[in-house]
Amino acid sequence: DGGITQSPKYLFRKEGQNVTLSCEQNLNHDAMYWYRQDPGQGLRLIYYSQIVNDFQKGDIAEGYSVSREKKESFPLTVTSAQKNPTAFYLCASSRGTSGRTGELFFGEGSRLTVL
Amino acid sequence: AQTVTQSQPEMSVQEAETVTLSCTYDTSESDYYLFWYKQPPSRQMILVIRQEAYKQQNATENRFSVNFQKAAKSFSLKISDSQLGDAAMYFCAYRSALTSGSRLTFGEGTQLTVNP
Repeated sequence: DGGITQSPKYLFRKEGQNVTLSCEQNLNHDAMYWYRQDPGQGLRLIYYSQIVNDFQKGDIAEGYSVSREKKESFPLTVTSAQKNPTAFYLCASSRGTSGRTGELFFGEGSRLTVL
Repeated sequence: AQTVTQSQPEMSVQEAETVTLSCTYDTSESDYYLFWYKQPPSRQMILVIRQEAYKQQNATENRFSVNFQKAAKSFSLKISDSQLGDAAMYFCAYRSALTSGSRLTFGEGTQLTVNP
Protein backbone atom coordinates (compact mmCIF):
# COMPACT_ATOMS: atom_id res chain seq x y z
CA ASP A 1 0.00 0.00 0.00
CA GLY A 2 1.12 3.55 -0.65
CA GLY A 3 2.06 5.66 2.26
CA ILE A 4 4.70 7.40 4.33
CA THR A 5 7.04 5.45 6.56
CA GLN A 6 8.90 7.08 9.41
CA SER A 7 11.59 5.39 11.45
CA PRO A 8 12.42 4.86 14.17
CA LYS A 9 9.15 5.24 16.03
CA TYR A 10 10.96 5.92 19.30
CA LEU A 11 14.48 7.28 19.68
CA PHE A 12 16.57 8.19 22.68
CA ARG A 13 19.55 10.48 22.43
CA LYS A 14 22.19 11.73 24.79
CA GLU A 15 22.85 15.43 24.89
CA GLY A 16 25.42 16.50 22.33
CA GLN A 17 24.61 13.77 19.83
CA ASN A 18 23.19 14.23 16.37
CA VAL A 19 20.36 11.92 15.33
CA THR A 20 18.69 11.33 11.98
CA LEU A 21 15.01 10.56 11.51
CA SER A 22 14.04 8.73 8.37
CA CYS A 23 11.06 9.52 6.15
CA GLU A 24 10.23 7.53 3.02
CA GLN A 25 7.17 7.85 0.78
CA ASN A 26 5.96 5.71 -2.12
CA LEU A 27 3.12 8.03 -3.15
CA ASN A 28 5.17 9.66 -5.91
CA HIS A 29 4.61 13.01 -4.22
CA ASP A 30 6.78 15.96 -5.16
CA ALA A 31 6.65 17.90 -1.89
CA MET A 32 7.71 16.69 1.54
CA TYR A 33 7.59 18.33 4.95
CA TRP A 34 8.85 17.96 8.50
CA TYR A 35 6.76 19.18 11.42
CA ARG A 36 7.46 19.25 15.14
CA GLN A 37 4.71 18.74 17.71
CA ASP A 38 5.00 19.70 21.38
CA PRO A 39 2.34 19.11 24.06
CA GLY A 40 -0.37 21.75 24.01
CA GLN A 41 0.83 23.18 20.74
CA GLY A 42 -0.04 22.65 17.14
CA LEU A 43 2.38 21.45 14.52
CA ARG A 44 5.22 23.74 13.58
CA LEU A 45 7.04 23.51 10.28
CA ILE A 46 10.76 22.74 10.39
CA TYR A 47 11.73 22.28 6.73
CA TYR A 48 10.04 21.49 3.46
CA SER A 49 11.14 20.39 0.01
CA GLN A 50 9.38 20.94 -3.29
CA ILE A 51 11.73 18.97 -5.54
CA VAL A 52 14.84 16.83 -5.34
CA ASN A 53 17.97 18.66 -4.23
CA ASP A 54 15.97 21.65 -3.05
CA PHE A 55 14.54 22.54 0.35
CA GLN A 56 13.48 25.61 2.34
CA LYS A 57 13.49 26.52 6.00
CA GLY A 58 10.23 26.56 7.85
CA ASP A 59 9.40 28.45 11.02
CA ILE A 60 11.72 26.62 13.42
CA ALA A 61 14.68 25.39 11.32
CA GLU A 62 17.46 26.29 13.77
CA GLY A 63 19.27 23.20 15.01
CA TYR A 64 17.92 20.97 12.23
CA SER A 65 19.17 19.93 8.81
CA VAL A 66 17.66 18.00 5.90
CA SER A 67 18.56 16.56 2.53
CA ARG A 68 16.51 15.56 -0.50
CA GLU A 69 18.70 13.39 -2.71
CA LYS A 70 15.84 11.18 -3.86
CA LYS A 71 12.19 11.97 -4.48
CA GLU A 72 11.11 9.25 -2.06
CA SER A 73 13.29 10.24 0.88
CA PHE A 74 13.52 13.31 3.13
CA PRO A 75 15.61 12.58 6.25
CA LEU A 76 15.78 15.04 9.14
CA THR A 77 18.88 15.43 11.30
CA VAL A 78 18.45 16.87 14.76
CA THR A 79 21.81 18.38 15.63
CA SER A 80 23.39 19.11 18.99
CA ALA A 81 22.63 22.78 18.31
CA GLN A 82 18.93 22.16 18.83
CA LYS A 83 18.43 23.31 22.42
CA ASN A 84 15.20 21.48 23.19
CA PRO A 85 14.91 18.52 20.83
CA THR A 86 12.57 16.31 22.86
CA ALA A 87 9.36 16.26 20.80
CA PHE A 88 7.20 14.32 18.41
CA TYR A 89 8.24 14.67 14.76
CA LEU A 90 5.88 14.20 11.85
CA CYS A 91 6.81 13.82 8.20
CA ALA A 92 4.28 14.63 5.48
CA SER A 93 4.01 14.80 1.72
CA SER A 94 1.72 16.35 -0.86
CA ARG A 95 1.02 15.53 -4.45
CA GLY A 96 2.37 18.72 -5.95
CA THR A 97 4.07 21.93 -5.08
CA SER A 98 1.09 24.22 -5.47
CA GLY A 99 -1.35 24.88 -2.68
CA ARG A 100 -4.05 23.69 -5.07
CA THR A 101 -2.87 20.12 -4.75
CA GLY A 102 -4.77 19.88 -1.52
CA GLU A 103 -4.06 18.07 1.66
CA LEU A 104 -0.91 16.71 3.20
CA PHE A 105 -0.51 13.02 3.98
CA PHE A 106 1.29 12.15 7.20
CA GLY A 107 3.48 9.39 8.52
CA GLU A 108 3.00 7.85 11.96
CA GLY A 109 5.62 10.03 13.58
CA SER A 110 8.84 9.62 15.54
CA ARG A 111 9.16 10.34 19.24
CA LEU A 112 12.59 11.71 20.17
CA THR A 113 13.65 11.90 23.80
CA VAL A 114 16.89 13.48 24.94
CA LEU A 115 18.28 11.94 28.11
CA ALA B 1 1.59 35.48 7.72
CA GLN B 2 -1.49 33.39 8.17
CA THR B 3 -2.57 32.34 11.65
CA VAL B 4 -5.08 29.75 12.80
CA THR B 5 -6.75 29.89 16.22
CA GLN B 6 -8.67 27.19 18.04
CA SER B 7 -10.08 28.74 21.20
CA GLN B 8 -11.28 25.50 22.81
CA PRO B 9 -8.38 23.44 24.20
CA GLU B 10 -10.81 20.75 25.37
CA MET B 11 -14.36 19.70 24.55
CA SER B 12 -16.53 16.79 25.63
CA VAL B 13 -19.68 15.25 24.21
CA GLN B 14 -21.99 12.40 25.07
CA GLU B 15 -22.06 9.47 22.72
CA ALA B 16 -24.70 9.97 19.97
CA GLU B 17 -24.85 13.72 20.60
CA THR B 18 -23.59 16.55 18.40
CA VAL B 19 -20.56 18.73 19.08
CA THR B 20 -19.09 21.74 17.29
CA LEU B 21 -15.40 22.64 17.32
CA SER B 22 -14.43 26.23 16.57
CA CYS B 23 -11.68 27.60 14.37
CA THR B 24 -10.86 31.09 13.18
CA TYR B 25 -8.07 32.16 10.87
CA ASP B 26 -6.44 35.32 9.68
CA THR B 27 -5.37 35.86 6.09
CA SER B 28 -5.30 38.56 3.46
CA GLU B 29 -5.68 36.03 0.65
CA SER B 30 -8.90 35.15 -1.11
CA ASP B 31 -7.94 31.74 -2.48
CA TYR B 32 -7.07 29.06 0.03
CA TYR B 33 -7.98 25.70 1.53
CA LEU B 34 -9.06 24.81 5.03
CA PHE B 35 -8.81 21.41 6.64
CA TRP B 36 -9.74 19.55 9.78
CA TYR B 37 -7.34 16.80 10.80
CA LYS B 38 -7.91 14.24 13.52
CA GLN B 39 -5.06 12.87 15.65
CA PRO B 40 -6.13 9.81 17.67
CA PRO B 41 -3.97 8.33 20.45
CA SER B 42 -1.92 6.54 17.77
CA ARG B 43 -0.72 10.09 16.85
CA GLN B 44 -1.19 9.62 13.10
CA MET B 45 -2.80 12.65 11.46
CA ILE B 46 -5.94 11.75 9.54
CA LEU B 47 -7.76 14.11 7.22
CA VAL B 48 -11.38 14.56 8.27
CA ILE B 49 -12.67 17.16 5.85
CA ARG B 50 -11.50 19.91 3.51
CA GLN B 51 -13.06 23.14 2.24
CA GLU B 52 -12.05 25.21 -0.75
CA ALA B 53 -12.49 28.90 -0.11
CA TYR B 54 -13.98 29.70 -3.49
CA LYS B 55 -16.78 27.18 -2.94
CA GLN B 56 -19.69 28.63 -1.03
CA GLN B 57 -21.22 25.27 -0.21
CA ASN B 58 -20.15 23.81 3.11
CA ALA B 59 -18.30 20.52 2.86
CA THR B 60 -19.75 17.37 4.40
CA GLU B 61 -18.32 13.89 4.94
CA ASN B 62 -20.81 11.50 6.48
CA ARG B 63 -21.23 12.62 10.12
CA PHE B 64 -18.78 15.49 9.73
CA SER B 65 -19.72 18.87 8.33
CA VAL B 66 -18.31 22.36 8.41
CA ASN B 67 -19.74 25.82 8.77
CA PHE B 68 -17.52 27.99 6.59
CA GLN B 69 -18.03 31.74 7.03
CA LYS B 70 -15.52 33.37 4.71
CA ALA B 71 -16.24 36.97 5.65
CA ALA B 72 -15.94 36.16 9.34
CA LYS B 73 -12.90 33.91 8.70
CA SER B 74 -14.52 31.15 10.66
CA PHE B 75 -14.39 27.41 9.96
CA SER B 76 -16.14 25.24 12.56
CA LEU B 77 -16.47 21.45 12.50
CA LYS B 78 -19.71 19.74 13.50
CA ILE B 79 -19.66 16.09 14.47
CA SER B 80 -23.10 14.48 14.52
CA ASP B 81 -24.02 11.24 16.27
CA SER B 82 -20.69 11.22 18.10
CA GLN B 83 -18.99 7.87 18.50
CA LEU B 84 -16.35 6.67 20.94
CA GLY B 85 -13.91 6.43 18.04
CA ASP B 86 -14.24 10.17 17.45
CA ALA B 87 -12.25 10.85 20.61
CA ALA B 88 -9.04 12.53 19.46
CA MET B 89 -7.17 15.79 19.11
CA TYR B 90 -8.63 17.83 16.26
CA PHE B 91 -6.57 20.37 14.35
CA CYS B 92 -7.78 23.07 12.03
CA ALA B 93 -5.34 23.95 9.26
CA TYR B 94 -4.93 26.53 6.51
CA ARG B 95 -3.14 26.26 3.17
CA SER B 96 -2.75 29.02 0.62
CA ALA B 97 -3.72 28.16 -2.95
CA LEU B 98 -1.55 30.94 -4.30
CA THR B 99 1.94 30.17 -3.09
CA SER B 100 4.04 27.53 -4.71
CA GLY B 101 4.96 24.77 -2.29
CA SER B 102 2.83 26.33 0.40
CA ARG B 103 2.87 24.80 3.81
CA LEU B 104 -0.01 23.86 6.10
CA THR B 105 -0.47 26.20 9.07
CA PHE B 106 -2.09 24.54 12.09
CA GLY B 107 -4.10 25.73 15.06
CA GLU B 108 -3.24 24.61 18.57
CA GLY B 109 -5.77 21.78 18.58
CA THR B 110 -8.91 20.80 20.49
CA GLN B 111 -8.93 17.63 22.57
CA LEU B 112 -12.32 15.95 22.16
CA THR B 113 -13.57 13.46 24.74
CA VAL B 114 -16.58 11.26 23.97
CA ASN B 115 -18.43 10.00 27.04
CA PRO B 116 -20.34 6.72 26.85
